Amino acid sequence: AQKITQTQPGMFVQEKEAVTLDCTYDTSDQSYGLFWYKQPSSGEMIFLIYQGSYDEQNATEGRYSLNFQKARKSANLVISASQLGDSAMYFCAMRVEGSNYQLIWGAGTKLIIKP
Amino acid sequence: DVKVTQSSRYLVKRTGEKVFLECVQDMDHENMFWYRQDPGLGLRLIYFSYDVKMKEKGDIPEGYSVSREKKERFSLILESASTNQTSMYLCASSFFVGTGATNEKLFFGSGTQLSVL
Repeated sequence: AQKITQTQPGMFVQEKEAVTLDCTYDTSDQSYGLFWYKQPSSGEMIFLIYQGSYDEQNATEGRYSLNFQKARKSANLVISASQLGDSAMYFCAMRVEGSNYQLIWGAGTKLIIKP
Repeated sequence: DVKVTQSSRYLVKRTGEKVFLECVQDMDHENMFWYRQDPGLGLRLIYFSYDVKMKEKGDIPEGYSVSREKKERFSLILESASTNQTSMYLCASSFFVGTGATNEKLFFGSGTQLSVL
């Protein structure tokens, strides 16, 4: 069964520290895409980063990087030098080939940055 | 700035009422989606549309219908609202073809928190 698992319901991190949010996925497909989205308290989901299954390099977008370990089926989000504004819910999602554009979503991790 | 606009941020309705949730995007996107978000369950797809007048059922379509008469507008309809439809509803849009972040990433509205009493 295709599934996304985020094992950390919540995390507290000190400001300026690096954060790793875990995401493991399950699919038998060879072609898939992995996404991370951020949802602040305002409610709007914001795209952060994307990793394609054939991409050899880990994706990076500013302070965000995706630690893609294909053999372990993990796609952890790393936030360097956390800021108070990083406090939000974070969701990992997966698109698989032939899924008709549907995404499979994890349950999310609530990240709170402490000053 | 690209925008997906949902008509209401908060909505309170009574059981049995017909409820319309409206979503408008200004990015000329082909795909539009309606999701439901409940704590601990992530996002669940209700319906999506890949073109005007086209619609596909998602994972939880029961009790819902949709309408897409114009490319920019996608409406979610609760024919007879029930208390178990109390939830956050998120609308999203994306480009139609191709893979990769540019084509696949979703743009979301701010959500509508619906309470059915």
